[in-house]
Amino acid sequence: AQSVTQPDIHITVSEGASLELRCNYSYGATPYLFWYVQSPGQGLQLLLKYFSGDTLVQGIKGFEAEFKRSQSSFNLRKPSVHWSDAAEYFCAVGGGNKLTFGTGTQLKVEL
Amino acid sequence: KAGVTQTPRYLIKTRGQQVTLSCSPISGHRSVSWYQQTPGQGLQFLFEYFSETQRNKGNFPGRFSGRQFSNSRSEMNVSTLELGDSALYLCASTSGTSDYNEQFFGPGTRLTVL
Repeated sequence: AQSVTQPDIHITVSEGASLELRCNYSYGATPYLFWYVQSPGQGLQLLLKYFSGDTLVQGIKGFEAEFKRSQSSFNLRKPSVHWSDAAEYFCAVGGGNKLTFGTGTQLKVEL
Repeated sequence: KAGVTQTPRYLIKTRGQQVTLSCSPISGHRSVSWYQQTPGQGLQFLFEYFSETQRNKGNFPGRFSGRQFSNSRSEMNVSTLELGDSALYLCASTSGTSDYNEQFFGPGTRLTVL
């Protein structure tokens, strides 16, 4: 069965600092991996996705993620965090319109 | 192009009642998936419909059901509501059935069961 682990429930960073959110997955075949962001009272917005090819993928809002098959990881990064990035971030794996999500990481940005 | 819309946005029900939630996908999208989001269980897949047929189903009791209409609009129904059904119900639409398709999420329906 597929699963996703986001080991960090909460992360606090200062505005302008770099960010890395961790994600580990378990999937029987070639994984389709996603990062979503959810702001309070909102639905989920796709930041980026990985299907194949280049293991470093670029997304919206200056985010990027690196797929590492040997570590079963798909960590999300941003070189300089903005206060507006405060939200909850979800890593997901799946396909066929059925996603398995991690438990999410709540990001707080200190000014 | 309008996004995914869900109605109602907020709903309060009592235990034992039933509820129907509605989702209108992005125009041209034929697949609709439903998810339940709770603080304890996180985001969990309920079911997915494509061209009026249920393609995938998550691990939820039979009290949770859904359907899709010919215009791709979808409804989900929860019968005999329990306190634990209080959650944010999210619907997502995609243009097809390929694993590559991005899912676009609606804002959700917040269901509170008293």
